[in-house]
Amino acid sequence: NAGVTQTPKFQVLKTGQSMTLQCAQDMNHEYMSWYRQDPGMGLRLIHYSVGAGITDQGEVPNGYNVSRSTTEDFPLRLLSAAPSQTSVYFCASSLTPDLYNEQFFGPGTRLTVL
Amino acid sequence: AQTVTQSQPEMSVQEAETVTLSCTYDTSESNYYLFWYKQPPSRQMILVIRQEAYKQQNATENRFSVNFQKAAKSFSLKISDSQLGDTAMYFCAFRGGGADGLTFGKGTHLIIQP
Repeated sequence: NAGVTQTPKFQVLKTGQSMTLQCAQDMNHEYMSWYRQDPGMGLRLIHYSVGAGITDQGEVPNGYNVSRSTTEDFPLRLLSAAPSQTSVYFCASSLTPDLYNEQFFGPGTRLTVL
Repeated sequence: AQTVTQSQPEMSVQEAETVTLSCTYDTSESNYYLFWYKQPPSRQMILVIRQEAYKQQNATENRFSVNFQKAAKSFSLKISDSQLGDTAMYFCAFRGGGADGLTFGKGTHLIIQP
């Protein structure tokens, strides 16, 4: 199993550009989520999904879109990048949404918006 | 909404010493899990230990143990016989009954000196 994979590892964008951060897992996990990590802050939840076709907003959803067309993939879209979106982005997954399930994290994507 | 507070931004100890990282949280939920995650310079998030709120016995994983004080809403991590490889950011995290993922503290940067 590859676990949770994220691409790209690094990305530089200009203000106003759009891009998609990819996240995939091969563990047949129902639950997937996106977090962002800023300096001096812990991780904050952007969006999450409890299964294919179902998504919901987390703590900091503004400026981001998600969709979940398959169990394996959960892409995060930035429609018009802003400098405030400069951050490290983590995707995570767990077997089910139940609180006792361990969440497995991907390696992260470092995004810089100029 | 729940909050997680880590009051020690940085700690430094000598190799082989014991160190305790503090975490307090606030919630109105009765059933929840608490976690400690380690983030080394590679930025990979690694689960260190977890504690179910209903379990009175403190969790232990090899050199890592917790002191869970439910009434005081305190969840500290003790690392015994610290090693150079323990140098990392450590995040305390809370997960409650909803599907909306983990709530993280701001982290403690732990440095193990040779």
